[in-house]
Amino acid sequence: DAKTTQPTSMDCAEGRAANLPCNHSTISGNEYVYWYRQIHSQGPQYIIHGLKNNETNEMASLIITEDRKSSTLILPHATLRDTAVYYCIVRVGSTSGSRLTFGEGTQLTVNP
Amino acid sequence: NAGVTQTPKFQVLKTGQSMTLQCAQDMNHEYMSWYRQDPGMGLRLIHYSVGAGITDQGEVPNGYNVSRSTTEDFPLRLLSAAPSQTSVYFCASSRTSLQETQYFGPGTRLLVL
Repeated sequence: DAKTTQPTSMDCAEGRAANLPCNHSTISGNEYVYWYRQIHSQGPQYIIHGLKNNETNEMASLIITEDRKSSTLILPHATLRDTAVYYCIVRVGSTSGSRLTFGEGTQLTVNP
Repeated sequence: NAGVTQTPKFQVLKTGQSMTLQCAQDMNHEYMSWYRQDPGMGLRLIHYSVGAGITDQGEVPNGYNVSRSTTEDFPLRLLSAAPSQTSVYFCASSRTSLQETQYFGPGTRLLVL
């Protein structure tokens, strides 16, 4: 799986958009970009994933650059409950096993 | 649906003791896995299973055994606990192993003295 690079920490004001970047310059054509988050002491929670098109769901939007070497997770109106560690994961699924390789992620702190 | 459940929530062991961490899911998911998370670090894959009767090793399998006799259950066994196994253990499941989102349990916090 391709390696990802994320900032260690970010801050965001409550109610503003949080934009979390991720670099994955070695991504290959069949690898998806996944985002998970982990609120303190809880199990990771799936947010969104995409291959090459931008994606949006009820939680967030995912913007993937045209060359697919980087992406941005957007939380449109951050709340205090969005404070968490956010993991960007690049993964290709296979019948032999789908494994998520977690890096250290970005600690997002939403401030009142 | 209860989702993915894990028991116990917290356990203290002495070095050399053995125990089993339980994981169950009620979503009829084929794929299940175990991760450990050490302080300040990301999750590392221990073992995984793509279906009942099939298991395989992940990134850090030493000191752990698994079995998958049913679709619902995927227990993790510590054969002889060591202080290095002090960690938080998460179980996860997904419908299949192909580009599927994974659902995580609440975790088991293990302290080995």
